[in-house]
Amino acid sequence: ILNVEQSPQSLHVQEGDSTNFTCSFPSSNFYALHWYRWETAKSPEALFVMTLNGDEKKKGRISATLNTKEGYSYLYIKGSQPEDSATYLCAFIPGGGNKLTFGTGTQLKVEL
Amino acid sequence: DTAVSQTPKYLVTQMGNDKSIKCEQNLGHDTMYWYKQDSKKFLKIMFSYNNKELIINETVPNRFSPKSPDKAHLNLHINSLELGDSAVYFCASSQDTFGTYNEQFFGPGTRLTVL
Repeated sequence: ILNVEQSPQSLHVQEGDSTNFTCSFPSSNFYALHWYRWETAKSPEALFVMTLNGDEKKKGRISATLNTKEGYSYLYIKGSQPEDSATYLCAFIPGGGNKLTFGTGTQLKVEL
Repeated sequence: DTAVSQTPKYLVTQMGNDKSIKCEQNLGHDTMYWYKQDSKKFLKIMFSYNNKELIINETVPNRFSPKSPDKAHLNLHINSLELGDSAVYFCASSQDTFGTYNEQFFGPGTRLTVL
C-alpha cells in the first residue's frame, strides 16, 4: 500500500495571502506526480503532471515544485482569491505502476 | 461540450437491487477509469480499461462489473446493492495507455444512495 500524505489537512487564509501545502510520497521508486484541484460539487480538474526531479510548473498564480529524491512536492498559491477555495489533491505513480494513488487532499478556504 | 459525462447524476435505490451507471467521453482517449469516493472523501481506483480491455481491477467485490462496449464508453453495473455501496462514483479518462503520464479528466460523479 502506497503512502501518499498531504498536509495540512485544511487551511484558512485571507484574500491576498500566499500559501503553500505539501504532498509526500515514497521516494524510492518514482514515476510521476499529479496535482488536481477539486471544487465543492464539481469534479477534480488537473493542474499539473510532474515527472522530473526539480520540475517546476506554473499556471497563473499557482505553481508546484517536485523533489523526487526526498519524496515531496509543494503547491504554492500566490495572492489567494476566494475562487481558489477548493480541495487540492496530489496523486502518485511509482515506477512500473499503472494507477494513481491519491492523497487525502488539502482543503483550502480563502476568506474575504 | 461535455468531455466526460456520467448518468445518472443521482441514484437512490433499495438494498438488493441491481443498478448501472454509464460513462461516456468525447475526448478520443484510450483509457477510462472508475473511482469511488469513500465517506472520508478519499478517491480510490476501482477499474481501468484501455481500448476496451481491462487493465486495472482493484480489490472490489465481484458484485461490481465494468463493461466497455467501445473505447468511448465505460459502464459500471452493480448487483445486489448493499448499504456500504453508498458513495460518489467518478468516471475519468486519459490519453495514454496507463493514465500515468497524462492528466486524467473526470466526470461530474454519480451519487449513489442505497437505502
